[in-house]
Amino acid sequence: QVQLVESGGGVVQPGGSLRLSCVESGFTLSYTGMHWVRQAPGKGLQWVTFIRYDGGDKHYADSVRGRFTISRDSSKNTVYLQMSSLRAEDTALYYCATDGPRPYSFGFWGQGSLVTVSS
Amino acid sequence: QSALTQPPSASGSPGQSVTISCTGTSSDVGAHDHVSWYQEHPGKAPKLMIYEVSKRPSGVPDRFSGSKSGNTASLTVSGLQAEDEADYYCSSYVGGNNLYVFGSGTKVTVL
Repeated sequence: QVQLVESGGGVVQPGGSLRLSCVESGFTLSYTGMHWVRQAPGKGLQWVTFIRYDGGDKHYADSVRGRFTISRDSSKNTVYLQMSSLRAEDTALYYCATDGPRPYSFGFWGQGSLVTVSS
Repeated sequence: QSALTQPPSASGSPGQSVTISCTGTSSDVGAHDHVSWYQEHPGKAPKLMIYEVSKRPSGVPDRFSGSKSGNTASLTVSGLQAEDEADYYCSSYVGGNNLYVFGSGTKVTVL
């Protein structure tokens, strides 16, 4: 049973930083690429970032490039999203999701971690 | 990268069919078959329903089917059931830096 659990969300002031974590269980994260996808309140899904299974390849949406950093620690079965220079428009529920196992799709999702950027 | 265009809402009575469109460009939906669909119930995480335009993961009822023509992909739900009432999102692989783009979402109501 694949399970992803996000944590680290909260309320932060504009310009502040926050780090989200995504811990997996039920499969070997070491061989799986991982994504972060976000959903602003009442809005649709937006792809944020991806990291390859070995951490050797990373991609970012234009809206977060240079401010967000994705990383992983396979020994802890954990993927991280370091967010800095946060803006009000970054307010959203952040989901981590697996790359696959079906090709070019988000196979398994966590329940999300809410980030609110507000003064 | 702009979101793919979906109708805001769609509806049908139990047992009927509903089709949701997902319109992109020749750089995303029209460029390949890497289109997927997700179902999202309120307060729940999205669930993969269709991948590679028309393939169903195990456990997804065969009432759900996908297709594509040119720059537009479609999801059809046949034999609508009450539990199909949810938001549906398409997604397309884009490549480059912005790997994926999602659709704007469609709320399906079972009348």
